[in-house]
Amino acid sequence: GIQVEQSPPDLILQEGANSTLRCNFSDSVNNLQWFHQNPWGQLINLFYIPSGTKQNGRLSATTVATERYSLLYISSSQTTDSGVYFCAVEKGNYGQNFVFGPGTRLSVLP
Amino acid sequence: DADVTQTPRNRITKTGKRIMLECSQTKGHDRMYWYRQDPGLGLQLIYYSFDVKDINKGEISDGYSVSRQAQAKFSLSLESAIPNQTALYFCATSDPESGRTDTQYFGPGTRLTVL
Repeated sequence: GIQVEQSPPDLILQEGANSTLRCNFSDSVNNLQWFHQNPWGQLINLFYIPSGTKQNGRLSATTVATERYSLLYISSSQTTDSGVYFCAVEKGNYGQNFVFGPGTRLSVLP
Repeated sequence: DADVTQTPRNRITKTGKRIMLECSQTKGHDRMYWYRQDPGLGLQLIYYSFDVKDINKGEISDGYSVSRQAQAKFSLSLESAIPNQTALYFCATSDPESGRTDTQYFGPGTRLTVL
């Protein structure tokens, strides 16, 4: 099956700093999503981005499908950005074979 | 009100007990999923359902069963709980747009501890 790697595994930032999180995957995919899990365990979908670039406020994501990686950018980080960021990919189109990466744990210090 | 709700939010039980986790959604989505998350790891798919009459096993279905009582309700059961089923369980829904892959929306999670 598809293997998903994320880096770095842990990241500590001062409030206001920028960061880049990376997701590498081992095969072509039709579905790639980024999720944020907050410190209380709630999982929130950030982007559906199998290819191209999207932006939502301070967050943006870019997927280069031909090179099998995706990047999540967080600018001007805030303490509320803390949590774990997961990349999930699927070769199909139906959500039944999502493979989640191990996540990047982000801690933003005040 | 939240679009995807899960009950209970926390549960502690003993080995061998039968446990049911419930998920309800008001999004009107046909597709529903159950995942488990072990500490420090990503999510793994247990079961998924594309409509009331369509239920399928995910990658880690052993020891679990599900019931899709209605479009809005999808329950996960542990027939005889064991300690390595201690995890955070998430329900999710999706509704693909025409010609596109769907986005999944997650419930708040149920933290289950099996002693």
